[in-house]
Amino acid sequence: SQQGEEDPQALSIQEGENATMNCSYKTSINNLQWYRQNSGRGLVHLILIRSNEREKHSGRLRVTLDTSKKSSSLLITASRAADTASYFCATDAASGGYQKVTFGTGTKLQVIP
Amino acid sequence: DTEVTQTPKHLVMGMTNKKSLKCEQHMGHRAMYWYKQKAKKPPELMFVYSYEKLSINESVPSRFSPECPNSSLLNLHLHALQPEDSALYLCASSQGLREGSYEQYFGPGTRLTVT
Repeated sequence: SQQGEEDPQALSIQEGENATMNCSYKTSINNLQWYRQNSGRGLVHLILIRSNEREKHSGRLRVTLDTSKKSSSLLITASRAADTASYFCATDAASGGYQKVTFGTGTKLQVIP
Repeated sequence: DTEVTQTPKHLVMGMTNKKSLKCEQHMGHRAMYWYKQKAKKPPELMFVYSYEKLSINESVPSRFSPECPNSSLLNLHLHALQPEDSALYLCASSQGLREGSYEQYFGPGTRLTVT
């Protein structure tokens, strides 16, 4: 089963507004990553937050991690039409000596110009 | 060069055909991945190669056969596929695997349709 569940499944906002997406996971992790995917294309890595970190920023992106609640959030500030995409959280877990990454269900974001 | 390339972009094949998907990266990454993604779903891991050796096989049917000829190339050989195998096939690479989680660089994918 998938490691991460995201909500909302879909989000529609006006350009300039902030967008918040949440990810909940089930087991202990070492790292959590966020990826973006434009329709029918490959994924692009956005940010990685380690289990001992609580918050991380990158440009207009802010990621938080609460390991006690097994949850993370991605905030996109001052959204732009170009931010329209699907966003996935990805968690890792040990698998036979390797770190295996599993993607969450994703949030489809639409930013209306 | 931070690009992962995949060929072909689109592929239509019959259930009796044999075809191959190709993936290439020149970032010196030692881990390469194949994912399958159905519409409106997240990518699902199929195979992982680490240092050119198959490290993870997620119980993928034998009609999918991966191959890693060298550290820059990754192939996925397809034979006797079913219509339900139609999906976007994504290749990715990362610095390593055992050392911990690294960001993955994805190719644009191959859109496969099985008729």
